[in-house]
Amino acid sequence: ILNVEQSPQSLHVQEGDSTNFTCSFPSSNFYALHWYRWETAKSPEALFVMTLNGDEKKKGRISATLNTKEGYSYLYIKGSQPEDSATYLCAFWNAGNMLTFGGGTRLMVKP
Amino acid sequence: GAGVSQTPSNKVTEKGKYVELRCDPISGHTALYWYRQSLGQGPEFLIYFQGTGAADDSGLPNDRFFAVRPEGSVSTLKIQRTERGDSAVYLCASSFDSGGADTQYFGPGTRLTVL
Repeated sequence: ILNVEQSPQSLHVQEGDSTNFTCSFPSSNFYALHWYRWETAKSPEALFVMTLNGDEKKKGRISATLNTKEGYSYLYIKGSQPEDSATYLCAFWNAGNMLTFGGGTRLMVKP
Repeated sequence: GAGVSQTPSNKVTEKGKYVELRCDPISGHTALYWYRQSLGQGPEFLIYFQGTGAADDSGLPNDRFFAVRPEGSVSTLKIQRTERGDSAVYLCASSFDSGGADTQYFGPGTRLTVL
């Protein structure tokens, strides 16, 4: 059984704060790490797919880093806005046929 | 272009009934996945199709669950003799290919409630 852990489970920040959360995954048989943003009543939206150790990806105010040797990825949001409120999911792909998801980090940004 | 769609968006049924959940993937995507998300947890894999065939059904919890994709496009997840523990959000995703680095595009899910 693959264990993908996300922390914290939930996070409340003020508008304008920068924040980050963690995804940890097995470091063996790594193939790819995916990040998604899931707003209530909408489809999970793909943010990043990361495959190489040391990868850094950026999309607007959101960025992510990847360390495959120690088995973790960080997601950063700079200058949080209320529309960033969502659950952020990471998912790990090894040699199998599916994504294994973490439990998610629920972010709430107060105006 | 059109994304992944799922119908119905909500389904309430009684224990013991049969339900069908439908997924329309993005046109041209050969890989299709079903996941289930229970309250407070991340999505869990159920089954994966490559084309018309179920390439991996190792996530189906028991033989009450079955899924088909007869023409390699639309897929239906079928649950027989539903139980209260089947209540969850059922998500469908599709990708152009089935590699681990291929982005999976998700539908909005079907929220199933078994009374």
